[in-house]
Amino acid sequence: DAKTTQPNSMESNEEEPVHLPCNHSTISGTDYIHWYRQLPSQGPEYVIHGLTSNVNNRMASLAIAEDRKSSTLILHRATLRDAAVYYCILRDRGNKLVFGAGTILRVKS
Amino acid sequence: EAEVAQSPRYKITEKSQAVAFWCDPISGHATLYWYRQILGQGPELLVQFQDESVVDDSQLPKDRFSAERLKGVDSTLKIQPAELGDSAMYLCASSLSGANSPLHFGNGTRLTVT
Repeated sequence: DAKTTQPNSMESNEEEPVHLPCNHSTISGTDYIHWYRQLPSQGPEYVIHGLTSNVNNRMASLAIAEDRKSSTLILHRATLRDAAVYYCILRDRGNKLVFGAGTILRVKS
Repeated sequence: EAEVAQSPRYKITEKSQAVAFWCDPISGHATLYWYRQILGQGPELLVQFQDESVVDDSQLPKDRFSAERLKGVDSTLKIQPAELGDSAMYLCASSLSGANSPLHFGNGTRLTVT
């Protein structure tokens, strides 16, 4: 399974944008980039995924580098409810979702 | 919005005892997953079902763990005998078939082995 590298933790101020980076230099051509987040005492929650083009949904935006070796999850206006562990995952055709340690996002009011 | 149901929410058991967890996936979701999450780590896949068939159990400790999904709907994960190192959160997830269908997770069963 191709691996991702994320910072252990990040901090943001409420109402400000947050850019969560992810490096995946060994990504293969068929790997999709998925993001999940896990709020305290809950199971992980799907956020967004993409292959090559940037993607937007109601929760976040995903910016993918042209060489696909890195990506950034963008929360446009962080709220206290966005404090969670954010996981960047490469998902292959086998459907398998392999989680790393993720990035702990802290949001300050 | 439909949810993945898991029970019990918490379970405390003594080592060497048997323990079982139950999962009811979202209706229509053919793929079901069991994950284990140790405190401070990301979830680790234990077993994946496609309908009633196991498609990946490479990380399942088969000497003590078993999983079944007899009618291709709900699923049970069993540990016998439980060991202290099995203390963790056990998460169930389901998804539609398809390489990039999002996984929907339940809120898990927190197991403590004493």
